[in-house]
Amino acid sequence: QKEVEQNSGPLSVPEGAIASLNCTYSDRGSQSFFWYRQYSGKSPELIMFIYSNGDKEDGRFTAQLNKASQYVSLLIRDSQPSDSATYLCAVNPGPSGGYQKVTFGTGTKLQVIP
Amino acid sequence: NAGVTQTPKFRILKIGQSMTLQCTQDMNHNYMYWYRQDPGMGLKLIYYSVGAGITDKGEVPNGYNVSRSTTEDFPLRLELAAPSQTSVYFCASRTDRVSGYTFGSGTRLTVV
Repeated sequence: QKEVEQNSGPLSVPEGAIASLNCTYSDRGSQSFFWYRQYSGKSPELIMFIYSNGDKEDGRFTAQLNKASQYVSLLIRDSQPSDSATYLCAVNPGPSGGYQKVTFGTGTKLQVIP
Repeated sequence: NAGVTQTPKFRILKIGQSMTLQCTQDMNHNYMYWYRQDPGMGLKLIYYSVGAGITDKGEVPNGYNVSRSTTEDFPLRLELAAPSQTSVYFCASRTDRVSGYTFGSGTRLTVV
């Protein structure tokens, strides 16, 4: 069983629509959760982090965390062609998992169609 | 601030050669990491360091070595390069053990 799972996509959405990216994780003790955006041929860039259950909004981005369901998602409102990239979910374990052993999903490729 | 700087950006090695990938950060971060990224496989942790003089193995350490003599520098050494080490290597740092990473621009390594 993969520790962090994401649908590889591609996820295609029209410009202006809401893109919904999902991630599930296996370590119930995980404490912090991140979303990175990675353009083709570039390095990952941190765009959102969330530590507590519920929603966290930053501009057009909303991260949602449900620890009971071991599920974290990223919503991108008013999607733009410049949002086309691969989105990596990353999970930081708690003390029992070893704080350093951050696990990344394999990423979901998002395509925003003009 | 430059952030995390990696050199070189590209390199072709022959089987059996050795090289050092350089990583420097100017954010005074104690925590530094080396990852490799293969297509469709996600990011795999090679080595990490929680401060000068302290390093530890990650998920895929075989064939690599690291050192951390200063807070700023965290070089990754490849000994006896093998085709399986063909990958994109990213160095990253963070301010503490629960925050997000700042990544360097990466080194694309090909072993032929």
